Order: sequence, then structure tokens, then C-alpha cells
Amino acid sequence: GNSVTQMEGPVTLSEEAFLTINCTYTATGYPSLFWYVQYPGEGLQLLLKATKADDKGSNKGFEATYRKETTSFHLEKGSVQVSDSAVYFCALSENTGNQFYFGTGTSLTVIP
Amino acid sequence: NAGVTQTPKFQVLKTGQSMTLQCAQDMNHNSMYWYRQDPGMGLRLIYYSASEGTTDKGEVPNGYNVSRLNKREFSLRLESAAPSQTSVYFCASRLAGSTPYEQYFGPGTRLTVT
Repeated sequence: GNSVTQMEGPVTLSEEAFLTINCTYTATGYPSLFWYVQYPGEGLQLLLKATKADDKGSNKGFEATYRKETTSFHLEKGSVQVSDSAVYFCALSENTGNQFYFGTGTSLTVIP
Repeated sequence: NAGVTQTPKFQVLKTGQSMTLQCAQDMNHNSMYWYRQDPGMGLRLIYYSASEGTTDKGEVPNGYNVSRLNKREFSLRLESAAPSQTSVYFCASRLAGSTPYEQYFGPGTRLTVT
């Protein structure tokens, strides 16, 4: 079956620190991978995506590389800001399917 | 272009009451979804509609019904609310096709059942 496993949170970092949020997946086919972000009181927004192995998704300073050999899609940012405080969700979708599979989310708090 | 809209934003129900959560999208998307979000459990799929006229159960369908009223609208009904249905409900939509287009989410409905 399909599933996504994210690192447990919460994560607290100082401003300008380096961020890594781990995500690994299990899939029966060839999925596309996504990172979504949820700010307090809001719905989820797409942060970045990658549709095939070795693709790198990037947006707003965040990056993630689709690693088929390690079934991973870790989220990274070189220098976090207070405004990056949010919950981050890793997700996958099979290329031939309709469903999305989400991780449990990782809460990030960035302190000044 | 409003994207995905949900009504109401907040609702308090007593056990046994019924209600319908409304969702509409103006992006001409084929597929629509209902999720619930609970602390520590991420998003769980309740029902989805791959295209107008079809609906399918997700991971946690018990206690819910859905209607894909037309291409734009997808409603979620709680026939007899229970405290276990206290949650935040999100509607999402996406353009289905050969590429796995991303989902777009509404702002959510926060439901409390007492």
C-alpha cells in the first residue's frame, strides 16, 4: 500500500538556522511527491512538488529532492525565518490514481 | 477567482443533530475530496469524487455521506453527529489527468459536537 512517514515534531529553531524535515514513503507504483504548508487557522497550501526520481522541487527557499533509492523526499531550507512557523505535510499521489496520502505533519516554530 | 470555498467556518452541534458542510470550487476541477484533521493524525480522507457523478469512500467514511451536486459543488453530511466527529474538515479539489496535479484546499470548517 501507499504511506508517508514524517519525522515527529514539534521542531523549534532559532531564526537563520538550517531546517531539515525528514519524509520517507512507501508506494506501489511511481508516485509524485509534495510538500504542503499549513499556517495557523488556514487550509493547506502547496509548497513544492516533484514528479519523478531525481527531480528537485523548490519554492520560497525550500527545497526537496525525490530520491527513489532511499524512498525519501526530505524538506530543507538554509535559513529559516519567523514567518516559516507552520505545520508541514509530506504527501504522495500515484500517477494513475486519484488519492493523496499525507504524513501526520511536522510543526515548526522559529524563534527570533 | 475564489478557489475552494467552504461554509460554515465554525459550527457547534449537539450529539444526534445533523448538518451539511458545503464546498464549492471555481477552478473547473474534476476531482473533489473531503478530509478531517485531528491532532497528531494528519489528514484522513473521508470521501472523494473522482469526477461528476461518482463518489468513493476513503479511509474514514463511517458516519458521513456525500453528494457531488455538480462539477463545482461537493457536500458532506453528518446524519447524526457524535463527539468523535469533532474535528476540522477540509475540502480539496484538483484537476485530474495523466499528471498528478496538486490538490487545492479550502480554509476549513471547525466542527465541535457536544
